[in-house]
Formats: sequence, C-alpha cells, structure tokens
Amino acid sequence: QKEVEQDPGPLSVPEGAIVSLNCTYSNSAFQYFMWYRQYSRKGPELLMYTYSSGNKEDGRFTAQVDKSSKYISLFIRDSQPSDSATYLCAMGGGVNRDDKIIFGKGTRLHILP
Amino acid sequence: DSGVTQTPKHLITATGQRVTLRCSPRSGDLSVYWYQQSLDQGLQFLIQYYNGEERAKGNILERFSAQQFPDLHSELNLSSLELGDSALYFCASSVVPAATEAFFGQGTRLTVV
Repeated sequence: QKEVEQDPGPLSVPEGAIVSLNCTYSNSAFQYFMWYRQYSRKGPELLMYTYSSGNKEDGRFTAQVDKSSKYISLFIRDSQPSDSATYLCAMGGGVNRDDKIIFGKGTRLHILP
Repeated sequence: DSGVTQTPKHLITATGQRVTLRCSPRSGDLSVYWYQQSLDQGLQFLIQYYNGEERAKGNILERFSAQQFPDLHSELNLSSLELGDSALYFCASSVVPAATEAFFGQGTRLTVV
C-alpha cells in the first residue's frame, strides 16, 4: 500500500462550482498535512497547511483532516478558471518525527468557463 | 516568486554523463530538500539537508549525491545518467527541518538523450 493515495483525475467542473479534492494515507504517525498547487511547468506552491485533525479555512479554500479515517480534503468554493492546476496533497512528521514530506501524485483540475 | 532559485532551468545531456543541479534556498532557510518529479511517479523525495548536514534520505539512487555548502546553497549531482533519469528536479527550502512550510523553486528540467 502506498503511503499517500490521490486520485490523479482529471477532474473537470464548471466555473463557480465547489471542488472537493481528497487524499488517503496509511501512516498514522503523520502529524501535519499540506496542500500544494502546481501550474504546468512550475514549482509547487504551498496553499494550505494544517496540523493534526480539524478544519482550516483561508479565503475560498478549506482544508480538512480526519486522522481517524486517515483522510484529508481540500475544498475550493466559487471555483475560477485560474484554479485550473494540479493539486498535490503532502504530509509529514511521520515515524520518529521523520522530516520527510511525502506527496500524493496530484489531481489535475480543470475549471470550465 | 518563492525565493528559491534553481539553475539551470533546462539541461539536455547524453546517457552516461554527469550533471550538477544547483539550488539557492530562501534567505534565512536552513533546510533544503530535493525532489524528482516524473509523470508516472509524481514528486519523489530524494534527500534533505539541514545547515550543512544530511537530515533525511528518500529514494535516492547511489548514482546521485548531494551536499549543502556553508553558504547554504545545495547541489545535486547526477552521474552515469540513464534515459529514465529524465525528469523535473525540484529543490525546496524551509526554515526548520521538520518542514511544515516548504517553498519550492521552479525546477530544473533534465532530459537525457
């Protein structure tokens, strides 16, 4: 079983819709969880960071972590064509406070005007 | 602009050759990470340095090596290159080793022919 699983998509939704992106993971020791956005041929850009379980909101973005289910989500409200990108979940702080950040393979998102 | 600088942006080289990729972290960041991104494998963690010392190791091949210099810039050396080494190589930096916020450079696209 991979440490982090993420549906690669592509996911196409109309402009203005709510987008839900998800990842599951197997290592229960992960403590912090991140979402990165990557535009084509660019470096990943940190969008959201959460520590342990719970919700965090930042503008149109909400990150949720459910450690009991080993499941994390990113919601994008009022989606815009400029949100079209690949979204990567990432997590770290695993066994022995390992400093490695492990990434999902990313979900390609297309927002249709 | 994340503040992380990677050079060169593009590199084309032949099989069997050796190349060096360079990364300058954000000002004040002591920790540097190297990642390889290919279409089928996603972002794979290679290695991390903190203040000149190796901190964590991922799926880094023996043909690859890295170091972090006293001025905190880092170099990733790839030798005996194979076609399968063609990928995007990203460097990221963070203030502390247990990175909750890592900032990525724009990457070096390596093509091995």
